[in-house]
Amino acid sequence: EVQLLESGGGLVQPGGSLRLSCAPSGFTFSNYAMTWVRQAPGKGLEWVSAISPGGNTYYADSVKGRFTISRDHSKNMLYLQMNSLRAEDTALYYCAKVQVEMSTIRYFNYWGQGTLVTVSS
Amino acid sequence: EIVLTQSPGTLSLSPGERATLSCRASQSVSSNSLVWYQQKPGQAPRLLIYGASTRATGIPDRFSGSGSGTDFTLTISRLEPEDFAVYYCQQCGRSPPYTFGQGTKLEI
Repeated sequence: EVQLLESGGGLVQPGGSLRLSCAPSGFTFSNYAMTWVRQAPGKGLEWVSAISPGGNTYYADSVKGRFTISRDHSKNMLYLQMNSLRAEDTALYYCAKVQVEMSTIRYFNYWGQGTLVTVSS
Repeated sequence: EIVLTQSPGTLSLSPGERATLSCRASQSVSSNSLVWYQQKPGQAPRLLIYGASTRATGIPDRFSGSGSGTDFTLTISRLEPEDFAVYYCQQCGRSPPYTFGQGTKLEI
């Protein structure tokens, strides 16, 4: 059974930093791209970042230069380092597994339950 | 960046009725890239449809997806009480960003 367990959320002041972690299980982590998606309270879904199996990284413009996605295959972990946090980064952060078929069909087929990040003074 | 616009924002229907949700892209999107998710309160999103029309594992056949180019549709043929939720479309093209629509709330 595929499971994704996020952790690391909490309350942080504007300008502060936080590192989120995602612990996957039930699949061969090193074979799959992974992604982070966030959802501000009462709002819709916003794609944040993705990382390929080989470590290529991608970011939404809203977080580029402030957030860093990474993965550690030896520890079977996914991370999101968040720096220079702003009030508008307040959200529930989900990690998700990216499924790719025939190199052109792509979707997020498993999601964690999320970890809440609150940026406030 | 491709912008996805979903309509209506809220859809009020009754169990047994048919629901039609729209997702319009700001530029042409490959059908392979169009995905639909369902989200219930307090839960993570759940994959419904990928490749515009392929149901994910375990998704009932009352859910169907269609469309091409810039216009895509999610249809629920006969609403069950558990179908009342928020639905998001997403485009997952070859390169990010993997943008989401703003969502359609399906309410009783």
